[in-house]
Amino acid sequence: QVQLKESGPGLVQPSQTLSLTCTVSGFSLTSNSVHWVRQPPGKGLEWVGAIWSGGSTDYNSALKSRLSISRDTSKSQVFLKMNSLQTEDTAIYFCTRELAHWGQGVMVTVSS
Amino acid sequence: DVVMTQTPVSLSVSLGGQVSISCRSSQSLVHNNGNTYLSWYLQKPGQSPQLLIYKVSNRFSGISDRFSGSGSGTDFTLKISRVEPDDLGVYYCGQGTQYPLTFGSGTKLEIK
Repeated sequence: QVQLKESGPGLVQPSQTLSLTCTVSGFSLTSNSVHWVRQPPGKGLEWVGAIWSGGSTDYNSALKSRLSISRDTSKSQVFLKMNSLQTEDTAIYFCTRELAHWGQGVMVTVSS
Repeated sequence: DVVMTQTPVSLSVSLGGQVSISCRSSQSLVHNNGNTYLSWYLQKPGQSPQLLIYKVSNRFSGISDRFSGSGSGTDFTLKISRVEPDDLGVYYCGQGTQYPLTFGSGTKLEIK
């Protein structure tokens, strides 16, 4: 059974760095891509970036300068790091296996 | 970036009725490999998005045949027949042909 679960701090101060973890089960990171998608409160979906089965990454160009996605295949975990956070980064962050299976999401609020 | 335009923004339907949602892309979604990566998602209240349709017309595992997708190039349609109470939520189209992946702004389905 494919499962993904996001974890991380619920509150981050402006200008600080966000670190999120996506722990997966039921599939291999070396055979599937994992994407991050975010959703500001009451708004639509925005693709953040992805890490491919081979380990390469793609990022939303609007976020690329602040974003890093990596993984630890031995722990079945994917990591998202975003620096210089602003209030506009407040959103639910989802990780998803190829946009077919989705985690429950984690709410991140950027506020002092 | 490919802009996805969904219409209508919202619609209301009686149980057992049929609805159509339109999605138009600013560029052709036909990939160099010949595939068209247009998907449809449903986000029920308080839940993560769930994949309904991929590559225009293919139902994802476990999705009812009441949901059907069609279209080509830049114009796509999702049809829902025999609407049930569990169908309410926000429907999104999304394209995976060109990076960054992009989504439509959503269509909210309400049950009369």
